Amino acid sequence: EIVLTQSPTTIAASPGEGVTITCRASSSVSYMYWYQQKPGASPKPWIYDTSKLASGVPSRFSGSGSGTSYSLTINTMETEDAATYYCQQWSSTPTFGGGTKLELK
Amino acid sequence: EVKLLESGGGLVQPGGSMRLSCAASGFTFTDFYMNWIRQPAGKAPEWLGFIRNKANGYTTEYNPSVKGRFTISRDNTQNMLYLQMNTLRAEDTATYYCARWDYGWDYWGQGVMVTVSS
Repeated sequence: EIVLTQSPTTIAASPGEGVTITCRASSSVSYMYWYQQKPGASPKPWIYDTSKLASGVPSRFSGSGSGTSYSLTINTMETEDAATYYCQQWSSTPTFGGGTKLELK
Repeated sequence: EVKLLESGGGLVQPGGSMRLSCAASGFTFTDFYMNWIRQPAGKAPEWLGFIRNKANGYTTEYNPSVKGRFTISRDNTQNMLYLQMNTLRAEDTATYYCARWDYGWDYWGQGVMVTVSS
């Protein structure tokens, strides 16, 4: 099983600030997927195939990476971006990272 | 509009069984791999398994953590997805989601809560 380790576990950002969340895989993966989840709601697809934004995702978000290191970046934090973000791989048995809770400062 | 609606959750005793259902609409059901994913409260989601699409013979794959206890099936005439769960344990307590795979899990149901407790 490929273990995905996200960092930080929690981060607080002010509106307008840049944010980067990292996801490290225990073995190389071909692509990374990211999901956004707000309390009481189902996860939403956010980034697929490492760097492609899902439908409706603002362009201030971006994804990058390869091999064992991937990241999700927000250029300028907005209040609506406060949520938990999960990375996920399907190069072998699908697994999720432990999540990064992004809070508003 | 794509919709996925789970049903069938609730309270079950340890060692018991439960079947979850997921009603799909708004897309050609047979074209897609369909998945079950669960999420314990406050924790990350966990993929449970999928059933392939028509082109791939509707075969199934499971997470080793539930293989042998959980079974995924589909009724393509009714656009329904099922999860049969046997020998349930306290650690199976979670919200269970059905989800469609298409370059990621692009649609999720609202989830159904399963509580395993005596």
